[in-house]
Amino acid sequence: QKEVEQNSGPLSVPEGAIASLNCTYSDRVSQSFFWYRQYSGKSPELIMSIYSNGDKEDGRFTAQLNKASQYVSLLIRDSQPSDSATYLCAVNILEGSARQLTFGSGTQLTVLP
Amino acid sequence: NAGVMQNPRHLVRRRGQEARLRCSPMKGHSHVYWYRQLPEEGLKFMVYLQKENIIDESGMPKERFSAEFPKEGPSILRIQQVVRGDSAAYFCASSPQTGGEQYFGPGTRLTVT
Repeated sequence: QKEVEQNSGPLSVPEGAIASLNCTYSDRVSQSFFWYRQYSGKSPELIMSIYSNGDKEDGRFTAQLNKASQYVSLLIRDSQPSDSATYLCAVNILEGSARQLTFGSGTQLTVLP
Repeated sequence: NAGVMQNPRHLVRRRGQEARLRCSPMKGHSHVYWYRQLPEEGLKFMVYLQKENIIDESGMPKERFSAEFPKEGPSILRIQQVVRGDSAAYFCASSPQTGGEQYFGPGTRLTVT
């Protein structure tokens, strides 16, 4: 069973702080990793993708990948109330000849004004 | 540049009826994925299709559910003889290549009464 696990949350941070979201995965051959943001009642929105070890920055968001530890994280700097949402970690699992995204259960983030 | 389109956005069916959910991928995307999200639960992969082919249906219930992606027209997820447990949000995502970034449509919220 290929799994993706996220810290359960909920997570609350004050406005302007750094929010840190973590994710571990069980499949060593996974090659693609994604972070999605989902507002209540809405569809998931892709915010970051990362494919190689190290950090990838995009605005206030930084994704970090460590394949040896099977760990991927998302940092949100200068958190804003509009960042309050559920963040989903997704890993591309190779099953046979196909690839499917396996999602973690999500971490609910609340940024307090 | 239209994103992934899904219709209807909301669908109400009585137990035993059929539900048909439609998905048009982003322009230039030939890979379509269907996911289901039950209330207060995570996203679960159902099926992965390319034009005229089902690539991976390992997440699809064996009975009552079917999916297609014809040469012309949208992808369709069909649920026959719906039951209350089928009530959920059904999301379609598309990508330009296997293993690549997936972009989600707004979803169809199915309610079975």
